[in-house]
Amino acid sequence: GQNIDQPTEMTATEGAIVQINCTYQTSGFNGLFWYQQHAGEAPTFLSYNVLDGLEEKGRFSSFLSRSKGYSYLLLKELQMKDSASYLCAALPNDYKLSFGAGTTVTVRA
Amino acid sequence: GAVVSQHPSRVICKSGTSVKIECRSLDFQATTMFWYRQFPKKSLMLMATSNEGSKATYEQGVEKDKFLINHASLTLSTLTVTSAHPEDSSFYICSARDPGTDYNEQFFGPGTRLTVL
Repeated sequence: GQNIDQPTEMTATEGAIVQINCTYQTSGFNGLFWYQQHAGEAPTFLSYNVLDGLEEKGRFSSFLSRSKGYSYLLLKELQMKDSASYLCAALPNDYKLSFGAGTTVTVRA
Repeated sequence: GAVVSQHPSRVICKSGTSVKIECRSLDFQATTMFWYRQFPKKSLMLMATSNEGSKATYEQGVEKDKFLINHASLTLSTLTVTSAHPEDSSFYICSARDPGTDYNEQFFGPGTRLTVL
């Protein structure tokens, strides 16, 4: 089976930086996705990594290390609207996304 | 990005009735769609993979006779929860895979909140 681990909750102050870590163990690997999900809504795509390294996209960056089975999502210049659940999802060889339980980020003023 | 719609967004039904949820890819053709359910503060759990023109593939522990899936066209998949019970109350989310993207990206519908009384 697949195993995706990420912290349950994180709290940070508006304007700060938060890093959400994710470790994965999957049967084969075809990439790592990060999604943002607000309560009661569907997930929205944030990033995709398949090669080692850092992908930067505005205030959000995502990093991948395939050898370590590790990824992180970096949120910079936090805004109140960034309060949400962040889902790490790996794509194994069967091409069925396997999701972590999600990290709830709370941004405080 | 591509758009996936889901209907209805919310449904409340009595125990024992059946509920149909529709998932549509609006601007691309999806040979593969996925159905997930999500309990409060939990992650998405894949229920089944819906393949156009063939039978759905169900994940372990998901009753195929209870959760009927039909993928009759390249833009529509339906999930029918038969003889619904309160424990079926959940947030159901579909996604559609767009083969035209670089990495077969999945686009998610807005979800359907099912409450069974």
